[in-house]
Amino acid sequence: ETGVTQSPTHLIKTRGQQVTLRCSSQSGHNTVSWYQQALGQGPQFIFQYYREEENGRGNFPPRFSGLQFPNYSSELNVNALELDDSALYLCASSLSDTQYFGPGTRLTVL
Amino acid sequence: DQQVKQNSPSLSVQEGRISILNCDYTNSMFDYFLWYKKYPAEGPTFLISISSIKDKNEDGRFTVFLNKSAKHLSLHIVPSQPGDSAVYFCAASAWGYGQNFVFGPGTRLSVLP
Repeated sequence: ETGVTQSPTHLIKTRGQQVTLRCSSQSGHNTVSWYQQALGQGPQFIFQYYREEENGRGNFPPRFSGLQFPNYSSELNVNALELDDSALYLCASSLSDTQYFGPGTRLTVL
Repeated sequence: DQQVKQNSPSLSVQEGRISILNCDYTNSMFDYFLWYKKYPAEGPTFLISISSIKDKNEDGRFTVFLNKSAKHLSLHIVPSQPGDSAVYFCAASAWGYGQNFVFGPGTRLSVLP
């Protein structure tokens, strides 16, 4: 059984650019959640997708958007990058109550 | 306003002894709680969970205790092993409230040989 995978591992962008991060769910999991983890803090919920529909959103501006595909993989898009967007972005997939996390994508905005 | 708090940023314990990690929450709507462990360069790994209808859940060396009246939960690791050294996150959710998991800031556990 394949776990949750994310790509790329690391990414460097400049302020104002756009970025797309990708996540492949664990086999059979139909729900994907995205989190932002700043240095020294716990993960903060961005949004969740269930069967290709957004199913909840945290306190993040609209320039954070997402997609879920029929195979349940997902993308996180961030437009107009700001310096404070530098963080570890974690994807988690689930079938019921427990979420299983990928290794994350480290985004640095210069 | 932090809804999930882990007031100890770090904890050091001798190998073989008990590790106790604490977590407090403020939202009385939370009804499901989890502990995750995170090693550097890896995503958080699920450890153990507890529903608000219980006050204790055990899985091997890991036991989680929930005190709903105090809005407090704790994770006990007995006996502690050097491989347990990691950052531990407490997370809470309120299913049916439209909210996903809310994480605490984490506690770094160091188990000394």
